[in-house]
Amino acid sequence: GAGVSQSPSNKVTEKGKDVELRCDPISGHTALYWYRQSLGQGLEFLIYFQGNSAPDKSGLPSDRFSAERTGGSVSTLTIQRTQQEDSAVYLCASSRDSTTGELFFGEGSRLTVL
Amino acid sequence: GQQLNQSPQSMFIQEGEDVSMNCTSSSIFNTWLWYKQDPGEGPVLLIALYKAGELTSNGRLTAQFGITRKDSFLNISASIPSDVGIYFCAGLIYNQGGKLIFGQGTELSVKP
Repeated sequence: GAGVSQSPSNKVTEKGKDVELRCDPISGHTALYWYRQSLGQGLEFLIYFQGNSAPDKSGLPSDRFSAERTGGSVSTLTIQRTQQEDSAVYLCASSRDSTTGELFFGEGSRLTVL
Repeated sequence: GQQLNQSPQSMFIQEGEDVSMNCTSSSIFNTWLWYKQDPGEGPVLLIALYKAGELTSNGRLTAQFGITRKDSFLNISASIPSDVGIYFCAGLIYNQGGKLIFGQGTELSVKP
């Protein structure tokens, strides 16, 4: 597609359930990022993939959070045993490479944990 | 870890006024960038700065990369209603493999 695509756009779940958020980056972009944006807050770095290198997971808030990127393209962010504080907008972005900081963002997946 | 301190947090201005916002850090960054986020959308890149001291313009927007590499500012001249949104600074450190850190954002409101 022309831009970064994220799904679902909205997800409401019950506390304790697992959720998966999907990101389809721009074709040919080798770098893929996940950020979390809580209401009225800035963008919190979660994880970053660059090509076939090991991902930078330094921003994942707990071991309930994990992400993978299959075939250097689509990425899935998984949150296990969701908690209310996980409620936020999860933004995915891709970039041609990791040296420019020029990211193209999707519209985000809004997660609400009841 | 690295942290970007962005100010002001919010601004309420009249259409036609100029706007200035800035970002500082105790860490050195190789690249500074400014993004804008409209409601319900992801941030969009406005300006990227790659050299210390660099001053770059994009229409009514002007941004500078501080000489110390620890700060940057963004100016918007003659604001218009569509400038409304949240503006984020972001810093990139090469030796961290391309990890991009964002400031907390400046929310801009423009009164027609």
